[in-house]
Amino acid sequence: DAMVIQNPRYQVTQFGKPVTLSCSQTLNHNVMYWYQQKSSQAPKLLFHYYDKDFNNEADTPDNFQSRRPNTSFCFLDIRSPGLGDAAMYLCATSRAGVAGELFFGEGSRLTVL
Amino acid sequence: DAKTTQPPSMDCAEGRAANLPCNHSTISGNEYVYWYRQIHSQGPQYIIHGLKNNETNEMASLIITEDRKSSTLILPHATLRDTAVYYCIVTPPGSARQLTFGSGTQLTVLP
Repeated sequence: DAMVIQNPRYQVTQFGKPVTLSCSQTLNHNVMYWYQQKSSQAPKLLFHYYDKDFNNEADTPDNFQSRRPNTSFCFLDIRSPGLGDAAMYLCATSRAGVAGELFFGEGSRLTVL
Repeated sequence: DAKTTQPPSMDCAEGRAANLPCNHSTISGNEYVYWYRQIHSQGPQYIIHGLKNNETNEMASLIITEDRKSSTLILPHATLRDTAVYYCIVTPPGSARQLTFGSGTQLTVLP
C-alpha cells in the first residue's frame, strides 16, 4: 500500500492561476520534503518541514509556499504559476535522526497553459 | 555536501550483473553514500546506503573503496524492470536528510 500519497497525479492550470498540490503520509514521519523535477533533470529540493519548522532552500522562488497543518499532510501552493513552473512535484518523508531512506510519493505532474 | 560524478548512461544485458560506479573524491569522514533510482514517471526509490563497510540488501550490493572516494552499486541479476536513472548521493548525517540529486546514470537493461 502506498505510504506517501500525492494528489492530484496530474494537474493542468492556466498561467497565473493558483494551484495547490497535496501530500499525505501514513508513516508518521516528522520530516516532509517538496522537490521539483523538470523534464530530463534531477529532482531539486524546494523546502522541507521538520515537524512544524519550515526550512526554505535559498533559491526557492517566493511563488512557492507550503503548509503543514498536521503530521500527516503537507501542501504545496504555487501562487502564480508560470510556464517555467511546469514540472513534476515530488513529496517525500523521512524519520529525523535516522541515517536512512526518504520515502517518495509518485509525484504530481503540473502543466501550465 | 560532497559532489558525485557518475557516467551519464550504461547498458546491461538482462540476467547479467549491472555495476554502476560513482566517484565522490571530496567525501567527508561522516558522510554517507546513498543510492536511489527513478523509474520513468515515478518517484525516486531508495536502494541502499553505507558509510564505510560494504552493504547488501535484497535489491543490491554497495561496495565502497577503502579510501571512500568511490563506490559501486551492483545489481546482481539485472531485469528489464531495473531500467531507470540511478542516483548516487553523498550527504552527512543529521536530523533532516536533505538529498541533493546529481545527474545520475541512465541504466538500460537490454533483452
